[in-house]
Amino acid sequence: QLQLQESGPGLVQPSETLSLTCTVSGGSISSSSDYWGWIRQAPGKGLEWIGSVYYSGNTYYNPSLKSRVTISVETSKNQFSLKLTSVTAADTAVYYCARELWRYYFDLWGQGTLVTVSS
Amino acid sequence: DIVMTQSPDSLAVSLGERATITCKSSQSLLSSSSKKNYLAWYQQKAGQPPRLLIYWASTRESGVPDRFSGSGSGTDVTLTISCLQAADVSVYYCQQYYSTPRTFGQGTKVEIK
Repeated sequence: QLQLQESGPGLVQPSETLSLTCTVSGGSISSSSDYWGWIRQAPGKGLEWIGSVYYSGNTYYNPSLKSRVTISVETSKNQFSLKLTSVTAADTAVYYCARELWRYYFDLWGQGTLVTVSS
Repeated sequence: DIVMTQSPDSLAVSLGERATITCKSSQSLLSSSSKKNYLAWYQQKAGQPPRLLIYWASTRESGVPDRFSGSGSGTDVTLTISCLQAADVSVYYCQQYYSTPRTFGQGTKVEIK
């Protein structure tokens, strides 16, 4: 069955770029029905959608983060990635990758990875 | 952005009793063309990722117990847990997918009384 797994540094310096990768296993990232998204959750807080990507490379982002976010896909590796620039402590969160079925709801999630922004 | 507001923020329910969570959206989530409500519910247990429970406001995801049900339309939808079990202690979130950006409610924490 399809599984998602986030990977990347757990600590990022302020003003630097946060980079995470989500590896999809048990299925193809090139499915026509699926978008692939990033959602984050600050400690003790709620969920915030960051953006999503289609296997063709088509993306859509949360306007609140759009100026700092790039989401890309690498179909040959069955992976998609998140880059968030100029991070501050406010970007400290658990970052989840998820499958966005038909660009609607998120039906499969990775376990999440905690990224702390600190010097 | 569509603002999603859940109520209450937390509730304590006795085992076997009913739990009801309401989610109000700042604009209607009902599509006039598809006649569907673009609303999902998720359950998040401590230390775990969210789990999809319900989509299209009332369609239960495969494997979700039938004590979970969704109802409502437009700007007001409800998640009901008909007979609360210990395993249902979680935070529940609603999410709209009617428009971009996708937005979530602030969450409702369900505990055992």
